[in-house]
Amino acid sequence: DIQMTQSPSSLSASVGDRVTFTCRASQNINTYLNWYQQKPGKAPSLLISAASSLQSGVPSRFSGSGSGTDFTLTISSLQPEDFATYYCQQSYSTPRSFGQGTKLEIK
Amino acid sequence: QVQLVQSGAEVKKPGASVKVSCKASGYTFITYGLSWVRQAPGQGLEWMGWISAYNGNTNYAQKFQGRVTMTRDTSTSTAYMELMSLRSDDTAVYYCASERELTGTVAFVYWGQGTLVTVSS
Repeated sequence: DIQMTQSPSSLSASVGDRVTFTCRASQNINTYLNWYQQKPGKAPSLLISAASSLQSGVPSRFSGSGSGTDFTLTISSLQPEDFATYYCQQSYSTPRSFGQGTKLEIK
Repeated sequence: QVQLVQSGAEVKKPGASVKVSCKASGYTFITYGLSWVRQAPGQGLEWMGWISAYNGNTNYAQKFQGRVTMTRDTSTSTAYMELMSLRSDDTAVYYCASERELTGTVAFVYWGQGTLVTVSS
């Protein structure tokens, strides 16, 4: 099974900051890597697929990169609505697996 | 528009079973499979398994083998997840999610609203 590890587990930042999250896979997953945003009490929402493809309607301040085992999600200028928990997920093989999440909090 | 609407919250005693439904609309049901993902309170997301809406084939996570059954009813466009022998650590929000092929990957594009299952004596 593929293990996904995210860092940091939590991050405090201010509106306007640039932040980067990291996700590492336990084996090569090419670019079969997706990022989700989850707000309290809501289902996750797909932000980025295939490591770097922004979903329709997602603001361009979000970007993703990486391939193989190491991936990053960057928010270029934090907005108030971006404070949430972010999960990476591999779709290279089953069982599908998620990282443990990075909680982004307001400083 | 695609919608996945799940059944309501459940409270169960340890050892009991729970069956959660997920009714799909806005697309041809048999075209795409459905996964079930759960989230314990304050914890991350855990994939439980997948069912083909076309032929009912299933793929369960090893952790849940023997304790979970996923089925579907094509006449009502509804998928079901039954979890048996419930324990307190099965307390979680259970989501159904539709995995779609996108350029270069597959991803959970559509999600149900979640169903809270509480296991308590």
